[in-house]
Amino acid sequence: EVQLVQSGAQVKKPGESLRISCKASGYRFSTYWITWVRQMPGKGLEWMGRIDPSDSSTNYSPSFQGHVTISADKSISTAYLQWNSLQASDTAMYFCARHNLISADDYWGQGSLVTVS
Amino acid sequence: DIQMTQSPSTLSASVGDRVTITCRASQSISSWLAWYQQKPGKAPKLLIHKASILESGVPSRFSGGGSGTEFTLTISSLQPDDFATYYCQQYDYYSGTFGQGTKVEIK
Repeated sequence: EVQLVQSGAQVKKPGESLRISCKASGYRFSTYWITWVRQMPGKGLEWMGRIDPSDSSTNYSPSFQGHVTISADKSISTAYLQWNSLQASDTAMYFCARHNLISADDYWGQGSLVTVS
Repeated sequence: DIQMTQSPSTLSASVGDRVTITCRASQSISSWLAWYQQKPGKAPKLLIHKASILESGVPSRFSGGGSGTEFTLTISSLQPDDFATYYCQQYDYYSGTFGQGTKVEIK
């Protein structure tokens, strides 16, 4: 069974750093990209970027390029989303998803709530 | 950047109604269009990919159509479990822009 399990809720202060994780199981991790999606409180879905775990190549939305870093460790089937300096506007739910080049984002994690205050 | 525009933003309907949501892309995306359903507090669920291919386990009352820049999601007979927010998404090798969402509410 394909599963993506994300790290738990975090409360941080502005200026702090943070890395959240997304652990995959039930499939060959290197075979599918991982997407990260932001959902601010009461708002819609925003595509942040994707990583190919086989070689760690990434694509970012221009809206997020330079503010977050997406990485992956294929030895432990885990993808990461990282901030070096959080802002209050980063308060949101963050989802990871398995990306299939043909069938889009077919499996999703449960979400990680990040609160910056 | 490809922009995706959904309409309407909110849709009020009754159980049994036929409802259609429209999604427009700012440039041609061929059939690289997915539809998701999201309920409050939950992760999105993939319903349709490549504009019209229904995911396994998704009820046949859902259907998708279109190509190029205009796409539709139709629910043939709205059921109580279908009240949710729906998002379209274009996906290509470099990006995956979502529409702003359509909330389907009980009339």
